[in-house]
Order: sequence, then C-alpha cells, then structure tokens
Amino acid sequence: RKEVEQDPGPFNVPEGATVAFNCTYSNSASQSFFWYRQDCRKEPKLLMSVYSSGNEDGRFTAQLNRASQYISLLIRDSKLSDSATYLCVVNKAGAGTYKYIFGTGTRLKVLA
Amino acid sequence: SQTIHQWPATLVQPVGSPLSLECTVEGTSNPNLYWYRQAAGRGLQLLFYSVGIGQISSEVPQNLSASRPQDRQFILSSKKLLLSDSGFYLCAWSDRGHQPQHFGDGTRLSIL
Repeated sequence: RKEVEQDPGPFNVPEGATVAFNCTYSNSASQSFFWYRQDCRKEPKLLMSVYSSGNEDGRFTAQLNRASQYISLLIRDSKLSDSATYLCVVNKAGAGTYKYIFGTGTRLKVLA
Repeated sequence: SQTIHQWPATLVQPVGSPLSLECTVEGTSNPNLYWYRQAAGRGLQLLFYSVGIGQISSEVPQNLSASRPQDRQFILSSKKLLLSDSGFYLCAWSDRGHQPQHFGDGTRLSIL
C-alpha cells in the first residue's frame, strides 16, 4: 500500500460546482497534513493545513478523519482558476518532522 | 517575510556534464531544507534533506549529491549527469515542528 494515495482524476466539473477530493495515508502515527495546489509546470503552493477539528478558508474546507486515515478537500463554487493539480501531503511519522510524503495529486479541470 | 530563491529556472546540459543548482532562503534561520525531483507527469520524489549546516540525509541512491555550506544555502550537484536526471528540481524549506514546506520556483533540467 502506498504511504499516501490520491485518485489521479481528472475531475472535470462545471463552474459553480462543488467537488471533493480524498486522500488516504497508511501510517496512523502521522501528525501533519496539508493540501497543496500545483499549476502546470509550476512549483507546489500551500493551499491549507489540515487540522483535527477541520478548517475552512473561503470556498475551501479541509477535514481529517484519523479513524479511517484520510483527509479531504472540498471546493465550493468552483472557479475556472481552480483548475490545477491538488497534492495531499502527510508527514512521515517516525522520522521526526523532517520528511513529508506527497501524493501524486488529483487533477481538477473546471469547465466554463 | 520569508522568501526562497532557486536558480537557474531552466537548464539544458549534455550527458556527462556537471551540475550545480543553488537555493537560498531569506527571512528565517535554521530552516529544514529539501531537494525534490518531479519527473514529467509524476509525483515529487524527495532527494535530500538537511536539518543544519553540513547535515545532509540522502533518500535515494543516485549520482547526485547535496551540500549545505551555510545555514540558508542548499546546493544540489552532480559530477556527471545521466539522461535519467532530467526533470523538475524543487528546493523547499520549512520551519521546525509540524510546519508546511514552501517551495522555490524550480529548475527545469533537460539532459541531451
């Protein structure tokens, strides 16, 4: 089983739609979780951290389910500019806070 | 605020030539530093990380090496490049603790 797994997509959704991505992780001792956004041929950029209680930033909501070992990202009212690849990131438990495992990403295409 | 600089943005090198990519961070001290490689259409592969000057941990066997001669300087090198070294190289930094990583703009390396 991969340490971090994501559905590669692509998810093709119309503007204004709500879309959700899930990401599963294998090590129950992991403590830090993040969502990044990567545009084509660009560097990943931090979208949001994921907290145990769940957190929201505008149209974006992140949730953590420790029991099932997955994190989710919900995007409401999708914009064309949301088209990108979304990377799930989990710290590599047992190695301090030094290393993070990146999922291979979920591609989102928002259609006009 | 913290910034990360990575150069060059693009590089075309012949097989067997040496390589030196440099990354510097400003606005923070004693950061964790990372080098990643991303092959076309693939996820991020951690190559090296460093928790302090002169401290380098290698994640995968390869013909690349890394050095940290100063607190906020991280260098990726090779004595003889292989075709398989082509890819998108990303430098990143993070604070200690459960903090997210922040990436430089990346270097797109093509080996001919």
